[in-house]
Amino acid sequence: SQTIHQWPATLVQPVGSPLSLECTVEGTSNPNLYWYRQAAGRGLQLLFYSVGIGQISSEVPQNLSASRPQDRQFILSSKKLLLSDSGFYLCALLKGPGSSPYFGPGTRLTVL
Amino acid sequence: KQEVTQIPAALSVPEGENLVLNCSFTDSAIYNLQWFRQDPGKGLTSLLLIQSSQREQTSGRLNASLDKSSGRSTLYIAASQPGDSATYLCAVNVSYGQNFVFGPGTRLSVLP
Repeated sequence: SQTIHQWPATLVQPVGSPLSLECTVEGTSNPNLYWYRQAAGRGLQLLFYSVGIGQISSEVPQNLSASRPQDRQFILSSKKLLLSDSGFYLCALLKGPGSSPYFGPGTRLTVL
Repeated sequence: KQEVTQIPAALSVPEGENLVLNCSFTDSAIYNLQWFRQDPGKGLTSLLLIQSSQREQTSGRLNASLDKSSGRSTLYIAASQPGDSATYLCAVNVSYGQNFVFGPGTRLSVLP
C-alpha cells in the first residue's frame, strides 16, 4: 500500500525567510499529487496539484510555488514567507479514477 | 464555482447516541463525494467514498448517503463512542484528477 512522508513535521520560520516542504511517496507510481493548506479554523484549501513530473497546476495565486522533480516527490516552496502562510500543510495522492485521495501526516508551519 | 458547507459546525453528544452530519454542495455535477475524519494535528483518513452513480455506502457503524440532484450528503454514525470524537469533513471531486472541494468540517465530541 502507498505511504506519504512529509518533512519536516513542524517548522517555525521568521517572516521573509524561504520555505521548502517536501512530500515523498512510496508504494505507487505516477500518482496525482496535491498540496493543501489548512489554516486555523478554516477548511482545506487546494494550493497545487500535479499529474506528472514537471506538471504543476496552481489553484490560488500567492507567494508559494510547487515543483515535481521526480514522480514520487512533490515540493512546496516560497522565497519569502508571510504571516498568512502559517497553517497545516497536507500532501495527498490520488492513484486513479474512483479512488480516494490518501493524505500524508502534514507539516505544521508557524511564521513569526 | 463549487462550494461545500457542513452543518452543524460542532456537535457534542453523550456516548451511545445515533447522530447525523450534513454536507451540502452547490453544483450537482460531481465525480464523487467522500467523508474524511481528521484527528487534531493529524492528516485526513478516508471513511467512505460514494461515486456519483451511487446512493449510499456503509462501513461498520457509518453510513453515508448521497442525493446528487439536491446537492446533499449525510453521514450517519450509529451508537457513537468517545473514540469517534474528531472533525469530520466532506469533499466533492468535481472532475477526476483535479480539485477536491472540502467543507469546513463538523467537530464532533462524544462524551463518555
